[in-house]
Amino acid sequence: AQSVAQPEDQVNVAEGNPLTVKCTYSVSGNPYLFWYVQYPNRGLQFLLKYITGDNLVKGSYGFEAEFNKSQTSFHLKKPSALVSDSALYFCAVRDDSGTYKYIFGTGTRLKVLA
Amino acid sequence: EAQVTQNPRYLITVTGKKLTVTCSQNMNHEYMSWYRQDPGLGLRQIYYSMNVEVTDKGDVPEGYKVSRKEKRNFPLILESPSPNQTSLYFCASSQQGSEDYGYTFGSGTRLTVV
Repeated sequence: AQSVAQPEDQVNVAEGNPLTVKCTYSVSGNPYLFWYVQYPNRGLQFLLKYITGDNLVKGSYGFEAEFNKSQTSFHLKKPSALVSDSALYFCAVRDDSGTYKYIFGTGTRLKVLA
Repeated sequence: EAQVTQNPRYLITVTGKKLTVTCSQNMNHEYMSWYRQDPGLGLRQIYYSMNVEVTDKGDVPEGYKVSRKEKRNFPLILESPSPNQTSLYFCASSQQGSEDYGYTFGSGTRLTVV
């Protein structure tokens, strides 16, 4: 069965420092991996995806994510955090079985401190 | 502008009073889905639809109904709401195929059942 784990409920980082938000997954076939961001009182917004190709994926707002097949991880990263990056981040996975069923993680709240 | 529109944004209702949350997308997407978001549980899929007249249960379908009579609309129906259905609801759509661009989410509907 598919599953996604976001082991940290909250991540605190100082403005200007690099940030990492962790995600691990489990699927039976090839994974389709996504990161979404949710700002207060808003719906989720697509940040980036990994389907195939380079393990380092670049997305919106300067975010990137690294796909690691051996560790079944897809961690979200940013070289220099901004206060405006403070939000709730969700990792999601879909397998390639054709069901188009997505599984979301429980979310990680990122707090960037000025 | 490409978007998913949900209405209403906020709704307070009483136990047992039937309600419908509407969802409409203007991107000609085939796939639509309803999620509920609860603290500590992330997003859980209620129902999804892969095309007109094709719907299926997600992970938490009990107490909900959906219909997909037109491609653009995917209403969520609560025939007899109960307090445990108090939650934040999101409708989402996506274009399936070899290139998965992920979901476009609506802004959410905060439902309170008293």
